[in-house]
Amino acid sequence: DAGITQSPRHKVTETGTPVTLRCHQTENHRYMYWYRQDPGHGLRLIHYSYGVKDTDKGEVSDGYSVSRSKTEDFLLTLESATSSQTSVYFCAISQGLAGGPSSYNEQFFGPGTRLTVL
Amino acid sequence: SQKIEQNSEALNIQEGKTATLTCNYTNYSPAYLQWYRQDPGRGPVFLLLIRENEKEKRKERLKVTFDTTLKQSLFHITASQPADSATYLCAPNNNDMRFGAGTRLTVKP
Repeated sequence: DAGITQSPRHKVTETGTPVTLRCHQTENHRYMYWYRQDPGHGLRLIHYSYGVKDTDKGEVSDGYSVSRSKTEDFLLTLESATSSQTSVYFCAISQGLAGGPSSYNEQFFGPGTRLTVL
Repeated sequence: SQKIEQNSEALNIQEGKTATLTCNYTNYSPAYLQWYRQDPGRGPVFLLLIRENEKEKRKERLKVTFDTTLKQSLFHITASQPADSATYLCAPNNNDMRFGAGTRLTVKP
């Protein structure tokens, strides 16, 4: 894996609790992404970042917030977890181009976090 | 709305044969299309990118085609091996990142 770590790798939590997932990169890539992956839906983009403090929404952003205070760290927060947010969450990075979450550059994915909301 | 379909959830083939996976998209015109491989319990790994003005791209035993008229990409693995068994994801995109649900390929010895 290209210098991307995710923590925690597994988490079980209860409905209504806040949860924060962390993505850390050592590649100094500009773009960072959070996806969720569910059976039958594939990977769906939650939020992405194109620089420190620069973030934007993806396809399924409701119920999620993100922050990026340093180039290397991108945090995903579930403000009040629900059972529908049970999923595997992947962080990805890319060098990217200006103006959007450019698909021109390949993305490097982290190992994933399996989150269960009871 | 934009839709991506990988029209086989699972594909089983014999070792040595060519595997062909299909990716269809509707209601948009992507400028680029990427293919990724995903093994169980791991994140996807980038394989190939093809641009809309490229008809075909090859990398070792892999070949990807991109037909903007049919709105379809074909992904071929020639001389398939059991180690090629994985789920393959397509991602036809412009400035967003959308993925198909994937096709699970099993290559039997």
